[in-house]
Amino acid sequence: DTAVSQTPKYLVTQMGNDKSIKCEQNLGHDTMYWYKQDSKKFLKIMFSYNNKELIINETVPNRFSPKSPDKAHLNLHINSLELGDSAVYFCASSPGPGAYEQYFGPGTRLTVT
Amino acid sequence: GENVEQHPSTLSVQEGDSAVIKCTYSDSASNYFPWYKQELGKRPQLIIDIRSNVGEKKDQRIAVTLNKTAKHFSLHITETQPEDSAVYFCAIFGNEKLTFGTGTRLTIIP
Repeated sequence: DTAVSQTPKYLVTQMGNDKSIKCEQNLGHDTMYWYKQDSKKFLKIMFSYNNKELIINETVPNRFSPKSPDKAHLNLHINSLELGDSAVYFCASSPGPGAYEQYFGPGTRLTVT
Repeated sequence: GENVEQHPSTLSVQEGDSAVIKCTYSDSASNYFPWYKQELGKRPQLIIDIRSNVGEKKDQRIAVTLNKTAKHFSLHITETQPEDSAVYFCAIFGNEKLTFGTGTRLTIIP
């Protein structure tokens, strides 16, 4: 009965590779997000989608491409991985406009070597 | 743009004592102020939140106070316990997104 789930939990890959992270929520929420948490623990929003529509793209390199096939899923594809992409990536969801509380997934620790 | 300052960055408190973490922000249009707790290796978890039409909210040992005029809000934890040790983040909601503070590492000393 996990509310927000992500796969994989760990991802180790080499520079230049392409990888994807998947996120699913079963809360019936309309809005989903991707956050990046770096080694200093700073949490920064990358993207948000509301009902499959892109709302926020927070000056993220275009190597990062989110895709929302339906409002319960928001995937993140990363092309040409770089060392600086190493971080923990969190997916989150919230009910929608006017309801701001966000619930986070367990995170995906990406290590680029 | 949105900016949130959080202090202190680290805090050590004797078990049973109180802990206070403060955040200040610049965007006067912000209307929602949550606090998240993140244990080591885990996800951020929402522990309490407050909206701009309320000055204080309490949930058992945790309380949040908001001063909209001064643009600051605080997290208060009373009767601290070892399981309160974690990193705490404040955040503000504005322009359709949460902007997080830089976090406070709280350590409860047994």
